[in-house]
Amino acid sequence: EIVLTQSPGTLSLSPGERATLSCRASQSVSTISLAWYQQKPGQAPRLLISASYTRATGIPDRFSGSGSGTDFTLTISRLEPEDFAVYYCHQYDRTPPYTFGRGTKLEI
Amino acid sequence: EVQLVESGGGLVQPGRSLRLSCAASGFTSDDFDIHWVRQTPQKGLEWVSRISWKSGNVLYADSVKGRFTISRDNAKYSFYLQMDSLRVEDTAFYYCAKDGSDRALHFWGQGTLVAVSS
Repeated sequence: EIVLTQSPGTLSLSPGERATLSCRASQSVSTISLAWYQQKPGQAPRLLISASYTRATGIPDRFSGSGSGTDFTLTISRLEPEDFAVYYCHQYDRTPPYTFGRGTKLEI
Repeated sequence: EVQLVESGGGLVQPGRSLRLSCAASGFTSDDFDIHWVRQTPQKGLEWVSRISWKSGNVLYADSVKGRFTISRDNAKYSFYLQMDSLRVEDTAFYYCAKDGSDRALHFWGQGTLVAVSS
């Protein structure tokens, strides 16, 4: 099973600042098989980024993904108030189990 | 617009069964998979199972293999998760999700809560 470790667990920033969230895999993951989701309280996760860097439909361009191999990054260039949420990485490489990271909470 | 609506959650005793449903609409392709993903505060998001709409091929996480069965009703555009021999550790919020051509989970339902307790 591929374990995804997200860091930091909590990130405290202010609107307008830049956020950098990390996701490290226990073994190499194909770049086409890594996604990022945003989840707000009481809501389902929402896809932000698929295939490591492809923004999902309707996602603002302040969200960007990068990385390869075992190290992946989600960057939010200028935080808006609605961006404060929990962010998860997800790998769907090869055969199951598909796994998720434990999340990074982005708080004001 | 793609919509997924789960139902069937509730409180159930250990060892009993429950069937979750996921009603889907707005699909424009017949080449996709439907996944069940569950979430708890303790374990976070956990992938549970997957079914191919086209072929019916299924896959399960080891934690539910032999106890859970995923199925589909093509005529009704509905998907099911039959959960047997439920355990306390199956307590979670259960989501159905549809993947895209890139296999990421593009669409999610609102979820349904399953609580297993005596």
